[in-house]
Amino acid sequence: EAQVTQNPRYLITVTGKKLTVTCSQNMNHEYMSWYRQDPGLGLRQIYYSMNVEVTDKGDVPEGYKVSRKEKRNFPLILESPSPNQTSLYFCASSFAGGRAGEKLFFGSGTQLSVL
Amino acid sequence: GDSVTQMEGPVTLSEEAFLTINCTYTATGYPSLFWYVQYPGEGLQLLLKATKADDKGSNKGFEATYRKETTSFHLEKGSVQVSDSAVYFCALRGMNYGQNFVFGPGTRLSVLP
Repeated sequence: EAQVTQNPRYLITVTGKKLTVTCSQNMNHEYMSWYRQDPGLGLRQIYYSMNVEVTDKGDVPEGYKVSRKEKRNFPLILESPSPNQTSLYFCASSFAGGRAGEKLFFGSGTQLSVL
Repeated sequence: GDSVTQMEGPVTLSEEAFLTINCTYTATGYPSLFWYVQYPGEGLQLLLKATKADDKGSNKGFEATYRKETTSFHLEKGSVQVSDSAVYFCALRGMNYGQNFVFGPGTRLSVLP
């Protein structure tokens, strides 16, 4: 089954304790992206990647890191989490484009709470 | 750069009412247009899409028509159900290789029985 898998689904941590949220896709997609969703602020892009070893900042990259060493994986790293990073996070993937209508597949989300 | 504007929510309707959620966009060329839906507690999933002018996307009773002249992609449904309560996102993606997706802010819809 074609899917984007995020882990963990829920995470509670404390300020300053490094964490990684994993994201993996099984569709051979070049494009992967991370979003955060906060009430009243919609969906905001954190980082995206067009292919292995190619990453770009989105709208709200501060406090986050990503890496794309393999095509299927795109982990989100919070080196020193702070309470303002408490949010619902989504990973998504797609082909890189150039063909009309290529859609974006989303993971189920990771609810992060930073105390 | 490319952008998407959606009507502000929340939208509250009674069951069987007619729904319109407005979406307009700014982009060069002919982007692909999408509506995504997020049901409570879930991730986003594609509702419908259109890839060229005058195309109509449809799914689950929802429809949207790609209007190049007005740069719009309004979402409509003739008779909403309680189960349609969700957040709806309009989005676009440019045609060229390596284009990012651009999302609107989302519109929350609540349907009352």
